[in-house]
Amino acid sequence: AQSVSQHNHHVILSEAASLELGCNYSYGGTVNLFWYVQYPGQHLQLLLKYFSGDPLVKGIKGFEAEFIKSKFSFNLRKPSVQWSDTAEYFCAVTSIQGGKLIFGQGTELSVKP
Amino acid sequence: DTAVSQTPKYLVTQMGNDKSIKCEQNLGHDTMYWYKQDSKKFLKIMFSYNNKELIINETVPNRFSPKSPDKAHLNLHINSLELGDSAVYFCASSQRDTYEQYFGPGTRLTVT
Repeated sequence: AQSVSQHNHHVILSEAASLELGCNYSYGGTVNLFWYVQYPGQHLQLLLKYFSGDPLVKGIKGFEAEFIKSKFSFNLRKPSVQWSDTAEYFCAVTSIQGGKLIFGQGTELSVKP
Repeated sequence: DTAVSQTPKYLVTQMGNDKSIKCEQNLGHDTMYWYKQDSKKFLKIMFSYNNKELIINETVPNRFSPKSPDKAHLNLHINSLELGDSAVYFCASSQRDTYEQYFGPGTRLTVT
């Protein structure tokens, strides 16, 4: 069955700390991978995406993610978080033909000033 | 410029009522979606339309009926509302060949 698993339910960091959020997926076939962010009270916004090519992708606001095919992983990283990064982060996968997004359960990130 | 808009933003209603949520996108996309986000923030696809044609219909009760009058609009009608329907409903759209989905602001439905 298609699924996405995010390792951490709630992560609490101090400003300037480094961030890594884990994401593993189970999908029969070639995939497109995404990270979305949902700031408090707002809609989902795309942080970054991987379709093909360089497995290290850079997104907005200093975020990056690395696709490791052998590990079925697409972890999100940021070297130095800010208070404004406090949000819910969702990893998602879809087939290369597009269609429905399968989301992970989300990771709540709280950054203390 | 609002790319994907939904109305209403909040909807409070009683069990048994029928309600509709509207979604419009001005991105020129040909595919639109409805997702449900439950109280634990888990997001799940409900429906997808491509050029007004239903292409994804997950195991959603028959009380939920999407309608797409044109490719820029995808409305969600819910009959006989139940307590378990309380959630945030997100509309999204994409262009088939880019696969990126753009989300609306969500409609928080509360059934009392």
